[in-house]
Amino acid sequence: NAGVTQTPKFQVLKTGQSMTLQCAQDMNHEYMSWYRQDPGMGLRLIHYSVGAGITDQGEVPNGYNVSRSTTEDFPLRLLSAAPSQTSVYFCASSPRQTVYGYTFGSGTRLTVV
Amino acid sequence: DAKTTQPNSMESNEEEPVHLPCNHSTISGTDYIHWYRQLPSQGPEYVIHGLTSNVNNRMASLAIAEDRKSSTLILHRATLRDAAVYYCTDKYNNAGNMLTFGGGTRLMVKP
Repeated sequence: NAGVTQTPKFQVLKTGQSMTLQCAQDMNHEYMSWYRQDPGMGLRLIHYSVGAGITDQGEVPNGYNVSRSTTEDFPLRLLSAAPSQTSVYFCASSPRQTVYGYTFGSGTRLTVV
Repeated sequence: DAKTTQPNSMESNEEEPVHLPCNHSTISGTDYIHWYRQLPSQGPEYVIHGLTSNVNNRMASLAIAEDRKSSTLILHRATLRDAAVYYCTDKYNNAGNMLTFGGGTRLMVKP
């Protein structure tokens, strides 16, 4: 099993550009989520999904969109990139009972110039 | 916002035990305590979780205070590969279904 796969690993965007960060999991997990990690800030929840067709906002959703058309995929879209979105982005998945642990991807390092 | 609190950093010598503390001042009676760690340039990984009783697995042990206001992650013999940021949490988002994380403890292991 590959676990949680994120692409790309690195990306540089110009201010105002849009892009999609990809996330795929092969564990048939119901829950998927996106976090961003800034220096000294820990992990902050952007958006999450509790199943195909269901998404909701986390702590810092502004500037991002998500969709969940399949169980496996949970892409994160940056609508109009801003320097404040420079960060490392992590996708995670878990069974419905999250006590059994999240599996995180290896991250996408995004720089907006 | 109420949150778990951890020291920003700790140091340990290789092959010695490490006790990483966490305070859970506002934990509710049914919330589990979770520990994750993040190795350099990697995503976080699950370490251990518990509710009331102490827990052991192949990676670590978790000691939970009787009043559940604090927990301690125990690495029995630290190795250089254990150098990482360790996160404890018992906090969920407003909907109560997604974990939230604080800043964690950066563990440095000296040879």
